[in-house]
Amino acid sequence: KQEVTQIPAALSVPEGENLVLNCSFTDSAIYNLQWFRQDPGKGLTSLLLIQSSQREQTSGRLNASLDKSSGRSTLYIAASQPGDSATYLCAVKGGGSQGNLIFGKGTKLSVKP
Amino acid sequence: EAGVAQSPRYKIIEKRQSVAFWCNPISGHATLYWYQQILGQGPKLLIQFQNNGVVDDSQLPKDRFSAERLKGVDSTLKIQPAKLEDSAVYLCASSLVPGALEQYFGPGTRLTVT
Repeated sequence: KQEVTQIPAALSVPEGENLVLNCSFTDSAIYNLQWFRQDPGKGLTSLLLIQSSQREQTSGRLNASLDKSSGRSTLYIAASQPGDSATYLCAVKGGGSQGNLIFGKGTKLSVKP
Repeated sequence: EAGVAQSPRYKIIEKRQSVAFWCNPISGHATLYWYQQILGQGPKLLIQFQNNGVVDDSQLPKDRFSAERLKGVDSTLKIQPAKLEDSAVYLCASSLVPGALEQYFGPGTRLTVT
């Protein structure tokens, strides 16, 4: 059974810092991995999606990497801003293209001005 | 393009009462998902529809939860009777086809059972 773990559970940093969020999964047979952002009282917004054949994806100040063999992914946020404060969720899809998303518990990020 | 709509946004009920949530997916999206997100946890899939048929309901507590997607568009999720442990955010998501890369999430319904 696939399990997804995110470390740390919470993180508080001053504005401008670069930071790394970690995600690990137990079954390396994944189809893809996604990073989501969740703001209080709102749904999930997809940030980056990495296919199993890819090693990383970048969007603006965000960079996500995937090491499928070791069951790890990282989300790197450069030059953090107070607007980055949110909960970041990692999810893996297994079982082929029609498999379900299995989510981690998330990392709650607070960026202080 | 309008996003996934859900209502109500908040609901407070007493245990043993019943409650229903409504979801309107993005126009043209054939696949619809209901997730349960307990505080401090990641979302957990309850049920997945392809048009008006159920694809996966293996994690739906069928003794108290039911869901339908008549006409393959809107969907309702019902809980009857509710328990304290059902307190959670219920998220609806949709995707163009079952294997689509992206699922688009609605804002969720926060349920509190007292």
